Amino acid sequence: AQTVTQSQPEMSVQEAETVTLSCTYDTSESDYYLFWYKQPPSRQMILVIRQEAYKQQNATENRFSVNFQKAAKSFSLKISDSQLGDAAMYFCAYRSGYTGNQFYFGTGTSLTVIP
Amino acid sequence: EPEVTQTPSHQVTQMGQEVILRCVPISNHLYFYWYRQILGQKVEFLVSFYNNEISEKSEIFDDQFSVERPDGSNFTLKIRSTKLEDSAMYFCASKARGNQPQHFGDGTRLSIL
Repeated sequence: AQTVTQSQPEMSVQEAETVTLSCTYDTSESDYYLFWYKQPPSRQMILVIRQEAYKQQNATENRFSVNFQKAAKSFSLKISDSQLGDAAMYFCAYRSGYTGNQFYFGTGTSLTVIP
Repeated sequence: EPEVTQTPSHQVTQMGQEVILRCVPISNHLYFYWYRQILGQKVEFLVSFYNNEISEKSEIFDDQFSVERPDGSNFTLKIRSTKLEDSAMYFCASKARGNQPQHFGDGTRLSIL
């Protein structure tokens, strides 16, 4: 079974600074997708960024970018120019490219942004 | 932007009672999901639903649980005889097609007394 590990239960960053959230995963599959979801206090899980495993180029979405290391099975999220609105729980998630259905989530990282 | 909506936001139920959690997926989406998140733990997959039938379910999704799409817009999760350990946040999600990301609702906090 696939597992997703987020080893940082809590992180903090100064406003306008950069922070990196770690995620590692374990799979024997070659075709899969990786995601970062944000869950602010309002509770809705919001898609931040996604990466297809077959793409070598790291995904970027405005201030959010990933460092996808397929061989190391690592998928970290970098948030640049952190804003107060970035404060939330961040979940890393894996989805198989074969079955295409369920997500496997990490335990989450709670990010605090310090003004 | 279209959203997945869930009602109620908080449900309090006596142990042993039946509860129905409701979700309205995004209108043109074809795949539907339920997840749960016990307080302080990770989000766990419960079930996926496509073409009016369950396509995949986890070990958590036992005979106590059922899902239904009673009309063209709603997607419900029924828990027949609730237990204390069913207390959790329940998330509904939907996606348009196979390779698209899932969109999540706000969640329903279920408290079993």
